[in-house]
Amino acid sequence: DIQMTQSPSSLSASVGDRVTITCRASHGIDNFLNWYQQKPGKAPELLIYAASSLLTGVPSRFSGSGSGTDFSLTINSLQPEDFATYFCQQSFRPPHTFGQGTKVDIK
Amino acid sequence: QITLKESGPTLVKPTQTLTLTCTFSGFSLSAREAGVGWIRQAPGKALEWLALIYWDDDKRYSPSLNSRLTITKDTSKDQVVLTLTNLDPVDTATYYCVHRRISWSGVEYYQHWGQGTLVTVSS
Repeated sequence: DIQMTQSPSSLSASVGDRVTITCRASHGIDNFLNWYQQKPGKAPELLIYAASSLLTGVPSRFSGSGSGTDFSLTINSLQPEDFATYFCQQSFRPPHTFGQGTKVDIK
Repeated sequence: QITLKESGPTLVKPTQTLTLTCTFSGFSLSAREAGVGWIRQAPGKALEWLALIYWDDDKRYSPSLNSRLTITKDTSKDQVVLTLTNLDPVDTATYYCVHRRISWSGVEYYQHWGQGTLVTVSS
């Protein structure tokens, strides 16, 4: 299996902050990397696919970058509705493994 | 509009077999490139990918659960069924059904998710 490691596991931030979450794959995965947001009691929602493609309807303050083994999700000007847990996922090879998640909460 | 909904038991006993059904609408699993998968999440834990079935009946399983998992499809009913044998309390989780899509560059992703169903394994 390809292991996905996210950092940090949690962070505290304020509204308006810029936040960056990183995700590292144990093997090169080209750009086969997706990002999801999950709020308590809800199913995850796709934000970004193919490392940097923003899903239609997702605010432009979200952006993704990276290729190979190192990736990042950046949220510019954090909004109240962005406080959630974020997961990366590789789809280079089954099983399509997820990172352990990064919880973003209010400072 | 694509929707998916999971159904099945909420409480099962250890050693029993779990059967979950995903009923979907808005797409056909017989259409080229279509796929439906299952992902679970134990309480307070990360997401765990379980299995995926493609339009051509190709199937992929998590190696750690491969011997216990079976995924099948019924395109006439727009349903996908997941079975998990020999349940243990560690299998307690919310089980999600997902619609697999593929980008123009070949990257698979899961844009649509069911609401999830919590399955508790306990005697």
